[in-house]
Amino acid sequence: GAGVSQSPSNKVTEKGKDVELRCDPISGHTALYWYRQSLGQGLEFLIYFQGNSAPDKSGLPSDRFSAERTGGSVSTLTIQRTQQEDSAVYLCASSSPWGSGQQGTQYFGPGTRLLVL
Amino acid sequence: EDKVVQSPLSLVVHEGDTVTLNCSYEVTNFRSLLWYKQEKKAPTFLFMLTSSGIEKKSGRLSSILDKKELSSILNITATQTGDSAIYLCAVVRNTGNQFYFGTGTSLTVIP
Repeated sequence: GAGVSQSPSNKVTEKGKDVELRCDPISGHTALYWYRQSLGQGLEFLIYFQGNSAPDKSGLPSDRFSAERTGGSVSTLTIQRTQQEDSAVYLCASSSPWGSGQQGTQYFGPGTRLLVL
Repeated sequence: EDKVVQSPLSLVVHEGDTVTLNCSYEVTNFRSLLWYKQEKKAPTFLFMLTSSGIEKKSGRLSSILDKKELSSILNITATQTGDSAIYLCAVVRNTGNQFYFGTGTSLTVIP
């Protein structure tokens, strides 16, 4: 597709369960970002990938959160043993490589709304 | 197709100028419109607008929503170099809570 896609669009889970959120970036975009938008809060940076490596994991809130990116494309964000405070909208964005003329502009996906009961 | 369009794509002004950034949308089941300022990592939240015609103001920044015209503007008065950033507009739907982001307006303020 032409834009960033995320799946599922909505996820309801029980406390203690693991969840996997998926992000398909725009083809050719080497940078990929995960953010979290909690109710009433601003966007919270979670992790940044350049290619398959994650030079910046500083935003991951706990060791229950992990993310990987394979083949420089699709990324999955995994939350283990979910807690109610994990409920939020998880947003993914990608950006094109430096030198392409559009570097820095992040294109956002529609988000995955996670509700932990 | 749901979409959010921002204009202009980029803007270069001198310190002290006033700028107006535009965001128009075609999104079904509109719930709210959000403005963000993006400099480095996470975009910084600026405003959330849900009601038409009510101006929200924070310092030199202000924003207003026009639901009839399906648009919003973000005004920045007496611009400073620190205002240089990409300004993102996002619309949130009632159903599914999906976010629709525009591609942003890149603002550069020259001393």
